[in-house]
Amino acid sequence: GESVGLHLPTLSVQEGDNSIINCAYSNSASDYFIWYKQESGKGPQFIIDIRSNMDKRQGQRVTVLLNKTVKHLSLQIAATQPGDSAVYFCAEKFQGNKLVFGAGTILRVKS
Amino acid sequence: ETGVTQSPTHLIKTRGQQVTLRCSSQSGHNTVSWYQQALGQGPQFIFQYYREEENGRGNFPPRFSGLQFPNYSSELNVNALELDDSALYLCASSLNGQLNQPQHFGDGTRLSIL
Repeated sequence: GESVGLHLPTLSVQEGDNSIINCAYSNSASDYFIWYKQESGKGPQFIIDIRSNMDKRQGQRVTVLLNKTVKHLSLQIAATQPGDSAVYFCAEKFQGNKLVFGAGTILRVKS
Repeated sequence: ETGVTQSPTHLIKTRGQQVTLRCSSQSGHNTVSWYQQALGQGPQFIFQYYREEENGRGNFPPRFSGLQFPNYSSELNVNALELDDSALYLCASSLNGQLNQPQHFGDGTRLSIL
């Protein structure tokens, strides 16, 4: 089927700690994955992407890990800041041109 | 570089009416995708336009239709509005829809159906 799900709907972390947001995807044929951040009243903002021929990709303070064996994706945010508070979505590229999104994880950063 | 812009930002309609939402793609992007985001959920793919033609469609009825213009801007039209059509409608642009390129989103149009 077409579904991308998240293990934890809400994640609370202390400012300065690392955050890990997890995502399970269902389509083993998907070859491209993206993480988005959505703040209240705004559209999703691209964070980082990864292709299925990779298992890790790093950006500025963020790392995406892909485990195709168990169809699992994670987003790691280093030194989490209050500005990181938002809803985070993972999405998989499906049937060539369609993004399938999960329900989202709320990240709350405590100061 | 100009990002994705959508208009209007908010809209209120009644059941049975028709609505047109507009999107200007990010400069240099030739592909536009439309999504519906209900409150508390992830965006759901409606359809994509590439080179002025529909290039993939999600599980939405025919009363959801669209257009893409030569300048790559796009419209989403919804006929016979229903209460469940109340949502945030998002437009995303990208390069060459079939390739693995990130889609960049606008801030959406909040549509409320009374």
